[in-house]
Parts: sequence; C-alpha cells; structure tokens
Amino acid sequence: EAGVAQSPRYKIIEKRQSVAFWCNPISGHATLYWYQQILGQGPKLLIQFQNNGVVDDSQLPKDRFSAERLKGVDSTLKIQPAKLEDSAVYLCASNSPGGVGTDTQYFGPGTRLTVL
Amino acid sequence: AQSVAQPEDQVNVAEGNPLTVKCTYSVSGNPYLFWYVQYPNRGLQFLLKYITGDNLVKGSYGFEAEFNKSQTSFHLKKPSALVSDSALYFCAVRDPGYSTLTFGKGTMLLVSP
Repeated sequence: EAGVAQSPRYKIIEKRQSVAFWCNPISGHATLYWYQQILGQGPKLLIQFQNNGVVDDSQLPKDRFSAERLKGVDSTLKIQPAKLEDSAVYLCASNSPGGVGTDTQYFGPGTRLTVL
Repeated sequence: AQSVAQPEDQVNVAEGNPLTVKCTYSVSGNPYLFWYVQYPNRGLQFLLKYITGDNLVKGSYGFEAEFNKSQTSFHLKKPSALVSDSALYFCAVRDPGYSTLTFGKGTMLLVSP
C-alpha cells in the first residue's frame, strides 16, 4: 500500500512570505495529523483532523497558521506570513483508528522549510 | 499531562554489541508507548508499540522494548547492533485519556564498524 505523500520536499522562502504544504494520507485513513519538528526536538502536534473535522488544534499558532481537509482526504497546511522561527520540518501522519489510543500513526517524508 | 524523557542525546555502540536507548514517561493512566526511527531526510518509521499484555515487545529490524511500569520506562534494545541502525530514535507516549501523541526529543544512535 502507498504511504503518506507530502509535497514539496523542500521549500526556501523569505520571512513575511506565505507558503503551503500538501499531504495525502494512506488510503482509507480517517485521521490526519500535522506536526512541526524543529531541529534537535521531537515532533510537536499542530493539528489533528478526523475526516474533515478538527479534533485538536490547541497548539496551532492560529494568527499565522491554517489547515484544511475539505473532503476528508488530502490536507493543506499554510503559513502566512512566515517568521524565521517557522524553519522546521513539517510532518504529516495518518492512521485508521482502532481501539482508543491503540492506533499507530504512519508518517510521510516531511517538508523541510527554511525561512530566510 | 503526558511527557517523555530521553536522557541521552547520543548513544555510541560498536557493531555486534548490544544496544539500549533509554526512555521514561509520565502519564496519568496506563500508557500506550511507541518507538519510531528517523533516517536523514526521511519521515518517522514505526518500530514497535506497547499497549497491553507482555512487557517485552518485539518490533521491526530485530528491535525490542521492555515496558517497566514501576520504573515508568520503555527502553529500546537490540542484541547485536548494525552500522545501518545508525539513526535518530524517538520514544512517544499517549495517555489513554488523550488522542495526541507526545514525543521525546530523540536520541541519536551511532554504530561504529
């Protein structure tokens, strides 16, 4: 089965510019996650979708970050305007919920964002 | 609140020797525990998980982990390390009362020939 797809793999922008990342989860996976991984740290959850609804966006900086999953399949994460501290790898993950808390998340290759 | 600690930034081991990567956790209930590995410029790959049952969990590529409730630990182990095991390893925990996964900061494993 195909894995989680993400694009682009790399992006370099100037501060105050906008950028968008795309994710296509594993087919049939209802839950989709976006994580931010800053160099030297573990991934931090930004937002979790269940189908096309938001389950948890408590750590999403909503003044500049937005995400959508309109049809419950692929998703887009946007940053506008970008700041230097947004430089990180943005990871998308998906899973197919089984029993509560037992499901394994599968990750895409990530998008490495550099803000200059 | 849930949290994970990986006390070692880096672990060095010679090829053929056993390896251990340490992880301790804090949750309010019974934990669900995971190990992931990340190779350069790649996403995280799932290695193994503990949900319930046998405290010794076996996973991919010959890795295993032991759940120790009294010590709140979930150390990753392998009997004989390979150079190709060199990568960044993340421990993660989920409290049954939450839907989110919390990751440790990662441990770099370097296996020398």
